[in-house]
Amino acid sequence: EAGVVQSPRYKIIEKKQPVAFWCNPISGHNTLYWYRQNLGQGPELLIRYENEEAVDDSQLPKDRFSAERLKGVDSTLKIQPAELGDSAVYLCASSFPGQTQETQYFGPGTRLLVL
Amino acid sequence: GQSLEQPSEVTAVEGAIVQINCTYQTSGFYGLSWYQQHDGGAPTFLSYNALDGLEETGRFSSFLSRSDSYGYLLLQELQMKDSASYFCALNRDDKIIFGKGTRLHILP
Repeated sequence: EAGVVQSPRYKIIEKKQPVAFWCNPISGHNTLYWYRQNLGQGPELLIRYENEEAVDDSQLPKDRFSAERLKGVDSTLKIQPAELGDSAVYLCASSFPGQTQETQYFGPGTRLLVL
Repeated sequence: GQSLEQPSEVTAVEGAIVQINCTYQTSGFYGLSWYQQHDGGAPTFLSYNALDGLEETGRFSSFLSRSDSYGYLLLQELQMKDSASYFCALNRDDKIIFGKGTRLHILP
């Protein structure tokens, strides 16, 4: 079974440009998470979806970040405009409904560098 | 709020045993998780403690003491492939809050 798929794996952009990341969770996993991981830090939750509903977006900087999961399967995270401080790894994770929250399955992440 | 404290780095010898500690400050949580992350890789779930005590999974064990606000990950028979970062994480309110991670260096 395929794991969580993310693309692109790497992205280099200039500041003030837009960027988008895509995630396809494990089949059957209704819960999807976007995290940001800065160098030497743990992942920080940006947004959590249950199916197509964003149930926790309290940590998402809504002035420049947006996310969608229109059909409750794959998801897109967008930054517009990007700032130098947005350079990080953006991780997507998914989990199975009914499974206790201890197990999340992470994708390989998108490494973003803003110049 | 909540915070987790882990040592930033730990060094051990191949074949030995190492313990990575995690202390936390929070008012209520469901359990403590541990994740492994190799450089450039994705975090991978290792272990979870919902109750106090020891959970064993092969060479890895994890421990939780709620009364002491403390947990640890124990790695036995260390192998070079265990060189990675290890994160403790609190499961609370349907979200996971990660510590900053401990980088484990293994010497041959």
